[in-house]
Amino acid sequence: NAGVTQTPKFQVLKTGQSMTLQCAQDMNHNSMYWYRQDPGMGLRLIYYSASEGTTDKGEVPNGYNVSRLNKREFSLRLESAAPSQTSVYFCASSETGGEAFFGQGTRLTVV
Amino acid sequence: KQEVTQIPAALSVPEGENLVLNCSFTDSAIYNLQWFRQDPGKGLTSLLLIQSSQREQTSGRLNASLDKSSGRSTLYIAASQPGDSATYLCAVYTGGFKTIFGAGTRLFVKA
Repeated sequence: NAGVTQTPKFQVLKTGQSMTLQCAQDMNHNSMYWYRQDPGMGLRLIYYSASEGTTDKGEVPNGYNVSRLNKREFSLRLESAAPSQTSVYFCASSETGGEAFFGQGTRLTVV
Repeated sequence: KQEVTQIPAALSVPEGENLVLNCSFTDSAIYNLQWFRQDPGKGLTSLLLIQSSQREQTSGRLNASLDKSSGRSTLYIAASQPGDSATYLCAVYTGGFKTIFGAGTRLFVKA
């Protein structure tokens, strides 16, 4: 029972480089989310997808794009990485208003 | 604006002690409250979900209560063990795919 799987687990980027974080869930949930976790700031919502085919901005969407590829997969793209995007990124899934399940996180460093 | 506060920020107890972690929120208009555990360098693991209509939920040595009117939830851990050492986060779902997280209580259980 994999739950929510994120890749990669670690990544180092140079300023200006791009990358895509992948997320997949096997619980048949409609809703998926991308958060970032920073010391002293807690967890903040970047983007979410209420259902397949829809995406919406969260609290801190600037500098990011997302794609809900299908019901299972929700990717997060950094087009031009900046040091301020150094963070731990978490993907989560749930049914609307239901229990949320998180992936193991991607630790991203932008130098 | 909904705010979630967890006190204390850190707690150290001897093994075997029963303990209570606190979570307070400023707006009682919530749909549910969820408690998570986060181990260092890992993702969030769901412990308990309490719907707004419920007063408490139990899982093994864990018991979570919810008092919506006073904006409080407590997580009770019975007979604590060193393996319970982790950061515990509470989160309230306010609707519209918005979940507000507390900063967490870092628990250390001494053997």
